[in-house]
Amino acid sequence: SAVISQKPSRDICQRGTSLTIQCQVDSQVTMMFWYRQQPGQSLTLIATANQGSEATYESGFVIDKFPISRPNLTFSTLTVSNMSPEDSSIYLCSVWDSYGYTFGSGTRLTVV
Amino acid sequence: AQSVSQHNHHVILSEAASLELGCNYSYGGTVNLFWYVQYPGQHLQLLLKYFSGDPLVKGIKGFEAEFIKSKFSFNLRKPSVQWSDTAEYFCAVTPGAAGNKLTFGGGTRVLVKP
Repeated sequence: SAVISQKPSRDICQRGTSLTIQCQVDSQVTMMFWYRQQPGQSLTLIATANQGSEATYESGFVIDKFPISRPNLTFSTLTVSNMSPEDSSIYLCSVWDSYGYTFGSGTRLTVV
Repeated sequence: AQSVSQHNHHVILSEAASLELGCNYSYGGTVNLFWYVQYPGQHLQLLLKYFSGDPLVKGIKGFEAEFIKSKFSFNLRKPSVQWSDTAEYFCAVTPGAAGNKLTFGGGTRVLVKP
């Protein structure tokens, strides 16, 4: 299965600032997904990022708040913009390949 | 919209006990089903998956799951748990062709007492 490197693994950020999370995959994949896992809760899909097209956002998530880039088939970034304490969560990227869905190790974000 | 329900939020059991975690989904068409495990402080790992064929699926670490289409269920089982099975377990579903977005259940925290 694909191997995903996600950076940073954790960060503490001031409210009002932005953080960009990177996801690097060791193979070319068409579909990449970004999820949020709020404290004590399950995973919620933020958006689907396909190379060469705009990301598709789920209800409750908007591009201005969570801009996504997908410049090629092995890389994507998610930016959490104008952060507030409510954005404190674990953010995960995921890819689909023939093995199934593989997840990155996550970015634990704390907004103070 | 499709949804995934996991009936138990918390399960506490002793080593060697049998484990069964319920998962139901609300989608009438073809589905692909997954169980993931998240050990404390670690990332999600795939336990097993069902795409088609034999509805009884065997996964890693002695886990298995049974897809019952008529009940829209995909329950996870392990005959005899170990302390190391303490983790959070997530059921997830994707409709139609695999590769679509996953919808996760709320998760079940399992604590195995030594």
